[in-house]
Amino acid sequence: NAGVTQTPKFRVLKTGQSMTLLCAQDMNHEYMYWYRQDPGMGLRLIHYSVGEGTTAKGEVPDGYNVSRLKKQNFLLGLESAAPSQTSVYFCASRTVHSSYNEQFFGPGTRLTVL
Amino acid sequence: EDKVVQSPLSLVVHEGDTVTLNCSYEVTNFRSLLWYKQEKKAPTFLFMLTSSGIEKKSGRLSSILDKKELFSILNITATQTGDSAVYLCAVDSGSARQLTFGSGTQLTVLP
Repeated sequence: NAGVTQTPKFRVLKTGQSMTLLCAQDMNHEYMYWYRQDPGMGLRLIHYSVGEGTTAKGEVPDGYNVSRLKKQNFLLGLESAAPSQTSVYFCASRTVHSSYNEQFFGPGTRLTVL
Repeated sequence: EDKVVQSPLSLVVHEGDTVTLNCSYEVTNFRSLLWYKQEKKAPTFLFMLTSSGIEKKSGRLSSILDKKELFSILNITATQTGDSAVYLCAVDSGSARQLTFGSGTQLTVLP
């Protein structure tokens, strides 16, 4: 099993450009999450999904959109990138069939917006 | 708004020392508290605590939760250079089991 994978690993954008980050998991997990991590600020939740076709806002959703068309994939979109979105983005997933709330993280995507 | 605060923000010790990392929280619907280790990549899971007073142990690492005083500590004994990392505390309190993270403690272990 590959676990949680993220594409791409690195990306540099210019202000105003758009892009999509892909998260894929092969563990048949129901819940998926997108976080961003900035220096000295831990991880902050952007959006999350409790199942195919369902998404919800997290703590810092502005400037981002998400889609969960397939259970195994969770896409994070930036419509018009801004320098404030320079960050490391982590995707995570977990199963509902356990009271043990261990979230499995992907390797991260480092995004720089110039 | 849920809040998780970790202290200290950074810590430098020598191999063999014992360290204690702190995590306090204020959340509306506590389910569990989790500790993660992050070494310049994705966080990796260490412990999950749900009940007060029950110590979780894994080798040289141990953790305990106090639900009355709303805090947890992570102890690392006989530290090694491989323990150098950011240690993250997170609280599970959302309807979709979202995690609220603290800002982390950067631990550096010198040889």
